[in-house]
Amino acid sequence: EAQVTQNPRYLITVTGKKLTVTCSQNMNHEYMSWYRQDPGLGLRQIYYSMNVEVTDKGDVPEGYKVSRKEKRNFPLILESPSPNQTSLYFCASSATPGGTGFTYEQYFGPGTRLTVT
Amino acid sequence: GQNIDQPTEMTATEGAIVQINCTYQTSGFNGLFWYQQHAGEAPTFLSYNVLDGLEEKGRFSSFLSRSKGYSYLLLKELQMKDSASYLCAAMDSNYQLIWGAGTKLIIKP
Repeated sequence: EAQVTQNPRYLITVTGKKLTVTCSQNMNHEYMSWYRQDPGLGLRQIYYSMNVEVTDKGDVPEGYKVSRKEKRNFPLILESPSPNQTSLYFCASSATPGGTGFTYEQYFGPGTRLTVT
Repeated sequence: GQNIDQPTEMTATEGAIVQINCTYQTSGFNGLFWYQQHAGEAPTFLSYNVLDGLEEKGRFSSFLSRSKGYSYLLLKELQMKDSASYLCAAMDSNYQLIWGAGTKLIIKP
């Protein structure tokens, strides 16, 4: 089954304790992206990656890091989480926008609800 | 700047028709997307328009006017399971998605 998986699904942590949210896709997609979703603000892109070893900042990258060492995985790292990073996080993947095989559809993971106290 | 506007909330009756509007301003344009998102779940793809006109897909249709920077999602024969948020997103010239805040659709029996 084609899917994007994220772990953990729920996480409660304390300020300053480093954490990693994993994301993996099995569709051989080049493009992967991380979003956060907050009430009234919609989806905001944190980072995206067009392919292995290529990552770029989205709209709200401060306080986050990513890496893309393999095509299927795109972990999100919070080195020193703060309460304003409490949010619902989604990972998404698609074929390369504008490239061959681009189907104009992003596939989303189930989400990770993070609470930082 | 780049911007997407859509109503925050709409209410409709089961069996009826509802139209959710979206206006956009982007640097270049590579298409307009609609996604459905049930509470606490991931968004799922509904439609993509890049040319002017109406695209019909079962009970759902999506319309685009590039000259007006305007799109709508039309839902017919509403069912209770259609209660969800509907997200409008425009793709700019760099193939980046600009997302609206979403329209929460409430269906009443």
